[in-house]
Amino acid sequence: SAVISQKPSRDICQRGTSLTIQCQVDSQVTMMFWYRQQPGQSLTLIATANQGSEATYESGFVIDKFPISRPNLTFSTLTVSNMSPEDSSIYLCSVLGDPAGAEAFFGQGTRLTVV
Amino acid sequence: KQEVTQIPAALSVPEGENLVLNCSFTDSAIYNLQWFRQDPGKGLTSLLLIQSSQREQTSGRLNASLDKSSGRSTLYIAASQPGDSATYLCAAHDRGSTLGRLYFGRGTQLTVWP
Repeated sequence: SAVISQKPSRDICQRGTSLTIQCQVDSQVTMMFWYRQQPGQSLTLIATANQGSEATYESGFVIDKFPISRPNLTFSTLTVSNMSPEDSSIYLCSVLGDPAGAEAFFGQGTRLTVV
Repeated sequence: KQEVTQIPAALSVPEGENLVLNCSFTDSAIYNLQWFRQDPGKGLTSLLLIQSSQREQTSGRLNASLDKSSGRSTLYIAASQPGDSATYLCAAHDRGSTLGRLYFGRGTQLTVWP
């Protein structure tokens, strides 16, 4: 299994500001995944973060809005930039728990409210 | 693109009932199928993983089956309890170069009342 620590757990931010979310894993993993869950919706993948290369973004998500860092095999950050109320969501990071690529594990999420 | 559908969207039952939650997916070439539980405003807790070569998995009162040919998975909850109240999500794992990428359904919101 994998234990993921995600910070902050929640935040209320002013529009136009930025928030950086941190994700720390207790083991080395090749890929980390960032998801967004808008109110009442399911999870949507924002991007995949590989160590040592640029993150790969899904359609509808751009690096200028959601810059991602992946400095090593246990840590990643997602920044939500120039926030608007539409960015109010739960943001979650995820990893696969073993090299065989079986079970996926999630952090406890960051509940973001933009006012 | 993989699409995952969950039925019903919501379920409200008295304690003690046996429950069936359904999940269907459009692309049968999935790698694995995983069921999660999500409490309000929280992250996801993994319940059961069914790997591509398996047909079912069991953990306590939970049993999940997978039929890749028909694009369906079912989560059975036996003898439901109020503590089972949560949203249940199924997710299809992508394969190949995008291994680890999950496609989610919208979930079944379960309420078990005493």
